[in-house]
Amino acid sequence: DQQVKQNSPSLSVQEGRISILNCDYTNSMFDYFLWYKKYPAEGPTFLISISSIKDKNEDGRFTVFLNKSAKHLSLHIVPSQPGDSAVYFCAAGETSYDKVIFGPGTSLSVIP
Amino acid sequence: EAGVAQSPRYKIIEKRQSVAFWCNPISGHATLYWYQQILGQGPKLLIQFQNNGVVDDSQLPKDRFSAERLKGVDSTLKIQPAKLEDSAVYLCASSPLAGGRETQYFGPGTRLLVL
Repeated sequence: DQQVKQNSPSLSVQEGRISILNCDYTNSMFDYFLWYKKYPAEGPTFLISISSIKDKNEDGRFTVFLNKSAKHLSLHIVPSQPGDSAVYFCAAGETSYDKVIFGPGTSLSVIP
Repeated sequence: EAGVAQSPRYKIIEKRQSVAFWCNPISGHATLYWYQQILGQGPKLLIQFQNNGVVDDSQLPKDRFSAERLKGVDSTLKIQPAKLEDSAVYLCASSPLAGGRETQYFGPGTRLLVL
């Protein structure tokens, strides 16, 4: 039972363009969402988060959008850079202090 | 500031053997987590410690997996006996006592292959 889904295993984008990574969830109790970035042979690192009281959170080139009625969130990276090439995990929990459930990840390749 | 340290980085064993992984969290972090990441899946929480007490071990297969954090600092995760399906990356993470998930820092992981 996958509570957090990332239906695109991989994505390729040209440098300078926008990358859009999508995430869907099924548990209506989830109120806190995070994105992590993972390089090969390293652990995931926190990127950006959003709580359900907001529909958008922005941090530099990274913006997360939340559509709670559709149980959908997306991560936008603008402009995309080659250093953004990594696996991106979406995660969700009931609060920022609760256990989070991770999606399976999307591998992003930014082509120079 | 030193990050979360894990060892070994790689381990290959045969099924039914035992194996142990070690984690040293960031200094001062009271909360320590062990995750299992199977290829193609996201990390799954196995156990969470706060100091040397267990907060959540609901997804730890207790018939074969055990973990301890005796002095509230470093931790070991053991599998005995290992099965083929235990092949995964085992990630350790730590966070400060009052920190949310944003303050959770992951180690590089131990990649386990069970043959």
